[in-house]
This record gives sequence, C-alpha cells and structure tokens, in this order.
Amino acid sequence: AQSVTQLGSHVSVSEGALVLLRCNYSSSVPPYLFWYVQYPNQGLQLLLKYTTGATLVKGINGFEAEFKKSETSFHLTKPSAHMSDAAEYFCAVSDAGGGNKLTFGTGTQLKVEL
Amino acid sequence: GAVVSQHPSRVICKSGTSVKIECRSLDFQATTMFWYRQFPKQSLMLMATSNEGSKATYEQGVEKDKFLINHASLTLSTLTVTSAHPEDSSFYICSARDNRGQDTQYFGPGTRLTVL
Repeated sequence: AQSVTQLGSHVSVSEGALVLLRCNYSSSVPPYLFWYVQYPNQGLQLLLKYTTGATLVKGINGFEAEFKKSETSFHLTKPSAHMSDAAEYFCAVSDAGGGNKLTFGTGTQLKVEL
Repeated sequence: GAVVSQHPSRVICKSGTSVKIECRSLDFQATTMFWYRQFPKQSLMLMATSNEGSKATYEQGVEKDKFLINHASLTLSTLTVTSAHPEDSSFYICSARDNRGQDTQYFGPGTRLTVL
C-alpha cells in the first residue's frame, strides 16, 4: 500500500518569500510522485512529476521539487511566492505511471500575504 | 495539455433522486477514467476506475449499486449517484488517462453535488 503525508495543512508566506511545502511518501516499490494545484471549485492541474532519472524536477509556474529516496520526501519549493500562487496543493504517489491510480495527501492550503 | 470536461458543474437535487455526471475527454481518447470525491477541506479519494467497454473497478468501501459508472465510449464516462442522500453531497472530480506519450492523467473541473 502507498501513502502520502503532507505536513502542515496551512502554510502562509509573504509575497516574494520562499515557498516550501512538505511531502513524505511510503511505497513498497519505486514511486512515481506528483504535485498538483487546485484553485477553488476547480479540478487539479499538474505542477510537476517525478518518474525516473533526475531527482530535481522543474515544473510550471516556477515550482520545483526534489526526490530524496533516503528521506522518502518530495518537497515542493518556489524561490519567490506570488499572490497568484495561493491555492491548495496536493502531493500524490503512484506505483506506476501518471496514468494510473493516484493516492493523494491531505493537501496544503498556501496563503500568500502582501 | 489535454482537456477534460465535466457536466454539470453544479447540481442540486432532492433526497431520493438520481443524478448523472458526465466526464468527457475532449481532444484524446481515454480507455481509462477515474472518479474521485472530495469532501470540504479534504483530499481526493478514489472511488472507482472506469474502463471503456468493461465493468468499473470500485475501491473498497464504495457501493457499486449506489455509484453507477458507465464508460460506453472512448471519450465519455458517466457517474450516476442513485437514490441520493445528503451525505452524498460532495465535490466529484473525474480524470482521464492519456496514454499517448508520457501517460498522464488530466482532471476535469469537478461537479459540486448538493442533496437537500
């Protein structure tokens, strides 16, 4: 069985500050890892994903995440927060490609303040 | 990226009635679609995997007779909530698997169901 833990259901940062959203996973097989963003009353949009290869993954909107197997982590970062980044962020894991069943974390609500 | 639509975006119904939600892949064919539900302030929980031309695969604890899934074509899957009750009120989100290229899931915008 796979699981995802997102530490911090709410994160607040100032505009221009570093964004760090934490994600730890549990998987019995090499994981495929994803970060999605959800704006109010909308579906999910893929930010980035890790499948194989380079452990530092760059995504859309300036976000990136690093797969650390030794720490079973896949934290999401962005150097400088923008007001438009305020949304709900979900980390997810799959035991196969992105087209397969996803197990989601409980989400982190990011608030960006002036 | 590819586009997935859902219809309706919002629906309010009376307790005891049935509601059908459609999920369409607009610019690609999807042999597999997924249905999730999301309660307020919570994560997405997979309900079932919808396979074109065959029976859906339901997750443990999901009543297949209550949540009927039909995937009759390569671009359309439907979820019917039968005999809806207030506890079925939720945000239902579908996704469609695009296995061309990088094998990615694309999510629909969701359907807000309110059962009175």
